[in-house]
Amino acid sequence: DTEVTQTPKHLVMGMTNKKSLKCEQHMGHRAMYWYKQKAKKPPELMFVYSYEKLSINESVPSRFSPECPNSSLLNLHLHALQPEDSALYLCASSSLAGTNYEQYFGPGTRLTVT
Amino acid sequence: GDSVTQMEGPVTLSEEAFLTINCTYTATGYPSLFWYVQYPGEGLQLLLKATKADDKGSNKGFEATYRKETTSFHLEKGSVQVSDSAVYFCALSDTGNQFYFGTGTSLTVIP
Repeated sequence: DTEVTQTPKHLVMGMTNKKSLKCEQHMGHRAMYWYKQKAKKPPELMFVYSYEKLSINESVPSRFSPECPNSSLLNLHLHALQPEDSALYLCASSSLAGTNYEQYFGPGTRLTVT
Repeated sequence: GDSVTQMEGPVTLSEEAFLTINCTYTATGYPSLFWYVQYPGEGLQLLLKATKADDKGSNKGFEATYRKETTSFHLEKGSVQVSDSAVYFCALSDTGNQFYFGTGTSLTVIP
């Protein structure tokens, strides 16, 4: 099973709302990632969790707050977003074992900020 | 730093045509190389990978060979189908934590 699941599939929120994106994997992977993808562009790395600890934060604004409650779950808390934050948010996971660097992506959450 | 340069698109081919999407890389270490495919409205799917020089990755009729001497990992398919229409991303990783993606190449296959 190489599935990463993400909920919700679509989200529309106002600039004053608070919402959360959720990601789950059951592959025993110890690294999980959040990416932001704009139309016709490659994914941009936002955060990396390794062994449930935040290891990379790519200078993401504080209105995005990641959380890793356990090795299978990853959340992204959203607050006071801007319209330019509208994008596809992708979660991914990888093994970290040996040279198995491949990342497995979820289907994404399409976020629209109004 | 590490980087990936990918052939600009979009690419439009007729069904059963031969496909090549060029990808070259710059890396300080010995990276693993990947091709990902993204169908409309979906996330990225791993298409194939190679972890060392001269390795050939293959899947669903697609192939790519890790060429250290030319720092390339070109994607090929002998006969494309309409269902292959998607965006293709070349990527590398040499630490596991960081992925470097190319800009993506949009492929449209017409019947």
